[in-house]
Amino acid sequence: QKEVEQDPGPLSVPEGAIVSLNCTYSNSAFQYFMWYRQYSRKGPELLMYTYSSGNKEDGRFTAQVDKSSKYISLFIRDSQPSDSATYLCAIRWQTGANNLFFGTGTRLTVIP
Amino acid sequence: NAGVTQTPKFQVLKTGQSMTLQCAQDMNHEYMSWYRQDPGMGLRLIHYSVGAGITDQGEVPNGYNVSRSTTEDFPLRLLSAAPSQTSVYFCASRTPSGSTDTQYFGPGTRLTVL
Repeated sequence: QKEVEQDPGPLSVPEGAIVSLNCTYSNSAFQYFMWYRQYSRKGPELLMYTYSSGNKEDGRFTAQVDKSSKYISLFIRDSQPSDSATYLCAIRWQTGANNLFFGTGTRLTVIP
Repeated sequence: NAGVTQTPKFQVLKTGQSMTLQCAQDMNHEYMSWYRQDPGMGLRLIHYSVGAGITDQGEVPNGYNVSRSTTEDFPLRLLSAAPSQTSVYFCASRTPSGSTDTQYFGPGTRLTVL
């Protein structure tokens, strides 16, 4: 069983829609939860970073963690064509060098 | 800061050839890693290093070697290229500092093995 599972999509939405991206993970020991955004032919870049359960908001983006369900989400409000990218969730334990695990990514296209 | 840099951006090899993918970072990060990214497989860890002189294997290390002689550089060597190594390779660095631990990625090297 993989440490983190992510629906690969692809997901296509009209401009202005609310987007929901989701991942599930297997081990309750994971404490840090991240979302990376990867534009075509570029390296991933950190978008959101959360610790433990709860919500974190940054502009149009909200990251949500439900540790009881082992479920993490990224919501994008008022989606824009510039949001078109692949979104990868990532999780890690508190310590260790080899402690970071990525989902396979969800490709999102926002249609003008 | 240039961040994490990788060279070359693109490379085509023939089966059996060897080559080195270069990676450098100027953020004085202790940890550096190499990933390969394939469709439907996500990012898979090849090798990683926790500091100069210390390296270890990740999920898919076969066919690759690494060394870390300085904090800044972490080259990845393909010993005898195979078509299965056709992929996009990303180098990353991070500094393990608890809640602010963030991984930074380079722009990637697209490798095709014929």
